[in-house]
Amino acid sequence: SQWGEENLQALSIQEGEDVTMNCSYKTYTTVVHWYRQDSGRGPALIILIRSNEREKRSGRLRATLDTSSQSSSLSITAAQCEDTAVYFCATDEGSFNKLTFGAGTRLAVCP
Amino acid sequence: EAAVTQSPRSKVAVTGGKVTLSCHQTNNHDYMYWYRQDTGHGLRLIHYSYVADSTEKGDIPDGYKASRPSQENFSLILELASLSQTAVYFCASSDGTGSNTEVFFGKGTRLTVV
Repeated sequence: SQWGEENLQALSIQEGEDVTMNCSYKTYTTVVHWYRQDSGRGPALIILIRSNEREKRSGRLRATLDTSSQSSSLSITAAQCEDTAVYFCATDEGSFNKLTFGAGTRLAVCP
Repeated sequence: EAAVTQSPRSKVAVTGGKVTLSCHQTNNHDYMYWYRQDTGHGLRLIHYSYVADSTEKGDIPDGYKASRPSQENFSLILELASLSQTAVYFCASSDGTGSNTEVFFGKGTRLTVV
């Protein structure tokens, strides 16, 4: 597998808290995509970080990429109930936009 | 807005039967993909296509065929459905202009093989 973890992780936090999700990958990539999947829906891109970027921000989202350790993280600041979803990281092979997904993190915000 | 439409949204199939999942995109994208998602896991690439009338194998093509009759349409075919093919299937498209390109996904088809 391209990714270090094989099973879906689960996190449960309270509204207003910050949260960070981590991914590690095994082979070279030039970009890491972060997707969000809501229940019953397909994944939707929320942030994309390239290998020449160490950090990328979009609203309350912050992605990091460390090519030396082959790892990426997604942080959400002041989480809200609507942030409840499954979050996936994915590497892009570079040709044909073929994505290799990690197992994902199921984030629950609010009871 | 980019749109990828899958049909049916859910299907129950009999073991050994033939199943066809259909996908239609209005994004004018050259690249289309079929992914499979098993409960608690990420998506895995089955087949993809970068031009009409041509398909390529992805990471897990065994037991699946694909057809791309036009730029807009991409089908996934299970000639002999098996229990292990119970999963959610996602179609996607992209313009394939590089690794910074967003891939747009449909809502998925839940296939149950009994």
